[in-house]
Formats: sequence, structure tokens, C-alpha cells
Amino acid sequence: DVKVTQSSRYLVKRTGEKVFLECVQDMDHENMFWYRQDPGLGLRLIYFSYDVKMKEKGDIPEGYSVSREKKERFSLILESASTNQTSMYLCASQTGGYFQETQYFGPGTRLLVL
Amino acid sequence: AQSVAQPEDQVNVAEGNPLTVKCTYSVSGNPYLFWYVQYPNRGLQFLLKYITGDNLVKGSYGFEAEFNKSQTSFHLKKPSALVSDSALYFCAVRSRNSGNTPLVFGKGTRLSVIA
Repeated sequence: DVKVTQSSRYLVKRTGEKVFLECVQDMDHENMFWYRQDPGLGLRLIYFSYDVKMKEKGDIPEGYSVSREKKERFSLILESASTNQTSMYLCASQTGGYFQETQYFGPGTRLLVL
Repeated sequence: AQSVAQPEDQVNVAEGNPLTVKCTYSVSGNPYLFWYVQYPNRGLQFLLKYITGDNLVKGSYGFEAEFNKSQTSFHLKKPSALVSDSALYFCAVRSRNSGNTPLVFGKGTRLSVIA
């Protein structure tokens, strides 16, 4: 079975802090994604990556950056956390090249910015 | 542009009754369509997908969905609801000819099955 793990289930940070959210997948997937989930807004794509060191902006990249130095790991960085970034963050991975393939999701990180 | 609509924020159904969660989509060309489910405090789990072929797709936990091209719909159904089906359900779509664009998700429908 595909396993996607996220470094923390819950995080509490202060406004202005730099925040790192880590995601690791164990199935050698090329594609990885970061979403945020908010009530009434569903899932919104922040960034995605099709290969190591590659990244593409999603629908809401402002205030975020990403890093993919290794194939299995995709990090989301909040350079200076703000209260409006309080949300649930979901990571997903997918086999590359075949976009009909399923995305596999991690358990999510619930981030609270005070 | 790709989009997906889930017109109901909440669906309530009695245990044992059939359930339907609605999804309509808009893409150029033919779609890939997916349903995912999210149980409380969990990530999303894949339920089923339509790629090509038979319009009726069967998935996990007794769920099925019917692709209707003329109505651009992909409603999720189950003949007999269980309390354990209570969760948040997401429909997602992408066009087959949209290159590397990712899935677009709907806003989700919360299903509540009442005993």
C-alpha cells in the first residue's frame, strides 16, 4: 500500500514564525502536491511538483514556498506565518505521467497560527 | 478551465435508505472523474474513478457512481446507507487533454447517516 506521511498532525505557531511542513511518500511517485482545506472552500492547491527540484504554482501560492530535494520528500514552507494561514494542510502523491492515476493523501497537518 | 460543483453542502439520510451525493463538472473534452472520502481527522481516501468505458463505476465500501456525459454529472450512490458512511465526500475532475494540470476538487458534501 502507498504510504504518505506528514511530519506533524497538529502544530501551533506564532505569527511571523517560519514554518516547515514535511511530507514523505514511499512509493517512488513522481508527482507530489500540497493542498489546504478550509470549511466551505474545499481543497485548494498550493503547489505541486512533477520531479525533483521542480515546482509549479497552484491556485493559492502566495505566502508559501516549497522544496523538493529528494523524490520522496516534498516540503511546504510558510516564510512568515500569518493567522490567515491557520488551516488543515494535506499532502498527496501520484504516479507520474498518467494523470488518470489516483492521488494518495497523507493524514493532514492541522496548523494553528496565533 | 476545469471546474466541479457539488451543489449540496450537507446530505442527510436515514440508515438503510439509498443515498446520492451530487457532482457536476465542466471541462474541455472528455474527463477523468474521481470521488474521495474524508473521515473525521483523516486524510482523503480514494473511493472510485471514471476513466473510460462503462458509465457505471463501482468502488470501495459498496459505493458506485454513474458518468452521464450529456448532463456532465458524476453522482455518487449507495443502495443502503450505513452510519459509518457519515463523512465528507469530494468530487474531482481533470480533462484528458489538459496536459499536466492537476485535479480540481469540489468543495465537498458532508453526508450524515442517521440511525
